[in-house]
Amino acid sequence: QQPVQSPQAVILREGEDAVINCSSSKALYSVHWYRQKHGEAPVFLMILLKGGEQKGHDKISASFNEKKQQSSLYLTASQLSYSGTYFCGTGGGYSSASKIIFGSGTRLSIRP
Amino acid sequence: DVKVTQSSRYLVKRTGEKVFLECVQDMDHENMFWYRQDPGLGLRLIYFSYDVKMKEKGDIPEGYSVSREKKERFSLILESASTNQTSMYLCASSRGQRDYGYTFGSGTRLTVV
Repeated sequence: QQPVQSPQAVILREGEDAVINCSSSKALYSVHWYRQKHGEAPVFLMILLKGGEQKGHDKISASFNEKKQQSSLYLTASQLSYSGTYFCGTGGGYSSASKIIFGSGTRLSIRP
Repeated sequence: DVKVTQSSRYLVKRTGEKVFLECVQDMDHENMFWYRQDPGLGLRLIYFSYDVKMKEKGDIPEGYSVSREKKERFSLILESASTNQTSMYLCASSRGQRDYGYTFGSGTRLTVV
């Protein structure tokens, strides 16, 4: 079952904050976040594992609520370079061979 | 710089042709994956492999097969290409660890006419 991302698209001015949500109908063991710029490959941002942790680097952070089967990505004081499509990927298995199922993406546009 | 390399950036094939998409990684990763990406649908998993000669079906395996004879190479095969297989195909690899992210190739845009 594909995770559901919201919103589908968001337009911000430079310096504004954004939150992208990812929810699953299945129990989660891990959540991945990726950013894809137009015409390029998706790039790994971070992974959160079961345990309700929060992670972050620079002004991009994420949280994982395993009870609610949700994760959120937080972009603070957005920069032009943050533009792109953000995908969450959810893993439902404990094995290292488990697959990741991706959501349909959230398109983020940052305007000067 | 670590890499996942897909052999073709653009490919045009005729309906009914057998098509091979090649992917090579130089990171000694255990896991390799094939996804297709279509507008509004995100990335959908076709097949993945967690070891040489091992493969598992993803969510949309119909019409596809895969081959992994060597650790670094994972091939996607369209047995008889159809127009509904026109898409962007992305290969990815990762270590065999739960806390490891994927590295994606640049993709192959396949058009079946």
